[in-house]
This record gives sequence, C-alpha cells and structure tokens, in this order.
Amino acid sequence: GAVVSQHPSRVICKSGTSVKIECRSLDFQATTMFWYRQFPKQSLMLMATSNEGSKATYEQGVEKDKFLINHASLTLSTLTVTSAHPEDSSFYICSASRSSYEQYFGPGTRLTVT
Amino acid sequence: GEDVEQSLFLSVREGDSSVINCTYTDSSSTYLYWYKQEPGAGLQLLTYIFSNMDMKQDQRLTVLLNKKDKHLSLRIADTQTGDSAIYFCAEIRGGGADGLTFGKGTHLIIQP
Repeated sequence: GAVVSQHPSRVICKSGTSVKIECRSLDFQATTMFWYRQFPKQSLMLMATSNEGSKATYEQGVEKDKFLINHASLTLSTLTVTSAHPEDSSFYICSASRSSYEQYFGPGTRLTVT
Repeated sequence: GEDVEQSLFLSVREGDSSVINCTYTDSSSTYLYWYKQEPGAGLQLLTYIFSNMDMKQDQRLTVLLNKKDKHLSLRIADTQTGDSAIYFCAEIRGGGADGLTFGKGTHLIIQP
C-alpha cells in the first residue's frame, strides 16, 4: 500500500508554455499533498503544501502565480508551471500524507524547458 | 547553517556495514526519516523514528537517535550492491500538515 503516482514522468516544453503535472495517491486518501523541487545533485526543497478543498500554502520565495496548485480531490493534486522558462527546468516530486507522520513520494517528473 | 546536515559521500565494501550520519538543528523535530533515492527515481521511505525513541530496527536497517546531540544515524548491515543510492535524512516538526526538511543526501558507493 501507500503508492503515489505522477504523470507525466518526463516532459519537454517550449519557453512560454504551461505544463501540468498530476500527483495521485493510488490506494489511500490524502488530505495533504506536498510539492518539492530537486535540482541536480541537490536536496529536495519544499515548494508548497496542498490541502484538499482549500488554497495551497507556498514556501517563501515560491511564486504562487507561476506554480499553480489544485487539490481537487483526496487522491489528486496538480501542479501547473505557467509560462515556463529554462530556469524552471527541474525534477518535481510530490508526496502524499497518509497519516500525521507518513509521507509517501511519487516517482517524480523531469521538466525540461527549451 | 543548514537545518539538516549529512556528509555527501560514503564508500563501503560489499558485505560490510554502512553507517550514514545526519545532524539536525531543530529540537522540536517530531519525526525523523530516512529515504532512499536511486538514479532518476523518486524517494522510497526506508524507515522513520519518533523523537522520543532511541533506536529502531527493521531487518538490515538500524536507526539510532541521540536527541541530546541532535544526531541521527542509519546503519545498513551486510551492504549489497543494490544498496547503492543516495540516502536522505529528513525531519518534520509538526504533524501531517508540515512538509519535510531534507539534508543534501549521502551518496553510498559500494566497492566490490
């Protein structure tokens, strides 16, 4: 149990376009999901916390208008990178909280902006 | 300084034990975690420990927590080639509503 999927696994887009990444908890309900970003050979940095039915909470320095988060159901959260630029190229990973202390991570999405 | 610190590399011989160390700064951490990341993949939760525990063992994995020194370690017994990965230490300060704070990760290299 506790499987989290992400789609797509890889995406290449042109500068100025928008990209949507989906995060799903497959076998449990997650009232809270998290979005992280990982640069090459770096650690994961928390971008935002997504709560079902309410607005996301963004970490300091993360532009909420650029990284739109929607948590439409207890099993789905989406991250939309709007007007993507090459500096947005990164590995985006979501996690879903199954309990107060367990977070399970998706396999990640590699975004390349050309 | 960083909230969670780890050394970047650890090299061990196959069959030996690996000990990966982590230090953290926030005494209000409630849970501490070890995650494993293989190349190009997401994070796999290996184990976690509650802050009021000293030790947790799960098959080949042993976690030791020294809360006084804010030091966490992960011991992998009988290290195998499949253990080669990056190991991240992480902490959470509250409950399920909080994201995790990660260390930079320790790259475990297995020598034949």
